[in-house]
Amino acid sequence: NAGVMQNPRHLVRRRGQEARLRCSPMKGHSHVYWYRQLPEEGLKFMVYLQKENIIDESGMPKERFSAEFPKEGPSILRIQQVVRGDSAAYFCASSPKIAGGLNEQFFGPGTRLTVL
Amino acid sequence: AQSVTQLGSHVSVSEGALVLLRCNYSSSVPPYLFWYVQYPNQGLQLLLKYTSAATLVKGINGFEAEFKKSETSFHLTKPSAHMSDAAEYFCAVSVGTYKYIFGTGTRLKVLA
Repeated sequence: NAGVMQNPRHLVRRRGQEARLRCSPMKGHSHVYWYRQLPEEGLKFMVYLQKENIIDESGMPKERFSAEFPKEGPSILRIQQVVRGDSAAYFCASSPKIAGGLNEQFFGPGTRLTVL
Repeated sequence: AQSVTQLGSHVSVSEGALVLLRCNYSSSVPPYLFWYVQYPNQGLQLLLKYTSAATLVKGINGFEAEFKKSETSFHLTKPSAHMSDAAEYFCAVSVGTYKYIFGTGTRLKVLA
């Protein structure tokens, strides 16, 4: 059973370009979470999605950032018009559907975004 | 609001010495607690988790942690450090069904 997959693992963009980060959850998992890790910091929650629904986007910056998890295909985190401050590691996690209790999350290897 | 504090952003120990990484949490309800390890340029690997069963939790690679409600702590220990333990360690709390809150991490250095 493959783990959470993220691609690309490394992404370089120039200021003003768009960055698209992809996350394929573990087989059987229908919940996806995105976290951002800035240099020398811990991970910060960004958004929680289920198929075709955004459940909680309280950690997403108000502008330029968006996320989706379509019925088919991977979850996408999109950053428009990137700036140097967007340089970070972006981690995706997934969990199975659980009625009550902890949705234990399994983390992918991350995408390291560098904005030149 | 829930929070996690990791005391000591950098910890150095000699090979073979005790490893102690500190984590204190703040939560108004019983938490789920986790320790993760991150090697350079890699993802997070779960070391162990507390989910309200036994207060002493054993994890992988010889690590263990004890949940102490009275001290709101969940410190990570290993009796004897190996060079391969050098990495960054994150404590995290989850209150409710999702949204993990991570500490700022402790970078462990193991001296030969």
